[in-house]
Amino acid sequence: NAGVMQNPRHLVRRRGQEARLRCSPMKGHSHVYWYRQLPEEGLKFMVYLQKENIIDESGMPKERFSAEFPKEGPSILRIQQVVRGDSAAYFCASSPGTDSGNTIYFGEGSWLTVV
Amino acid sequence: AQRVTQPEKLLSVFKGAPVELKCNYSYSGSPELFWYVQYSRQRLQLLLRHISRESIKGFTADLNKGETSFHLKKPFAQEEDSAMYYCALSRLSGYSTLTFGKGTMLLVSP
Repeated sequence: NAGVMQNPRHLVRRRGQEARLRCSPMKGHSHVYWYRQLPEEGLKFMVYLQKENIIDESGMPKERFSAEFPKEGPSILRIQQVVRGDSAAYFCASSPGTDSGNTIYFGEGSWLTVV
Repeated sequence: AQRVTQPEKLLSVFKGAPVELKCNYSYSGSPELFWYVQYSRQRLQLLLRHISRESIKGFTADLNKGETSFHLKKPFAQEEDSAMYYCALSRLSGYSTLTFGKGTMLLVSP
């Protein structure tokens, strides 16, 4: 099992461009979570998705950010018109279910730098 | 509101010294507490969770509901323990996302 795969690992974007971050969950996992880690901060929950459904997006900024987890393919976190404050590490995690007995597994993160 | 507090940004110890990484939480209900470790720019890995009561890599943590704490301890630190450590909580049952503390960097010097 390859684990949670995120790409790209590093992404540089100019202000105003779009950033797309991809996450392939572990095999057999149908639940995906995105967390953001700003400099000097802990991880903050952004969004929780199951296949084709957004279950909880309470941590997503209201504008410019969107996430999807299509029936086929990876989950994508999309940031439109990026600003310097979007520079952060974005971590994806997956789990097979929602029961607290199911540990969630993190990817290695995608580091976004906005210049 | 649920909150996790790790009061120390950095903890520096010598090899062989005891280590205690502090974690306090506030949560109205029954939480599940976790410690995650992140080695230099690698993925977060679950170190331990309070319900399993395991000891991983010599680390232990006991949930103290009276003090609302879940401090991480190791009697003899090793250089390879140097990493970022994050305390986190979620609801004990059912769906719940993780709330993380800001993390403590542990540096173990030879």
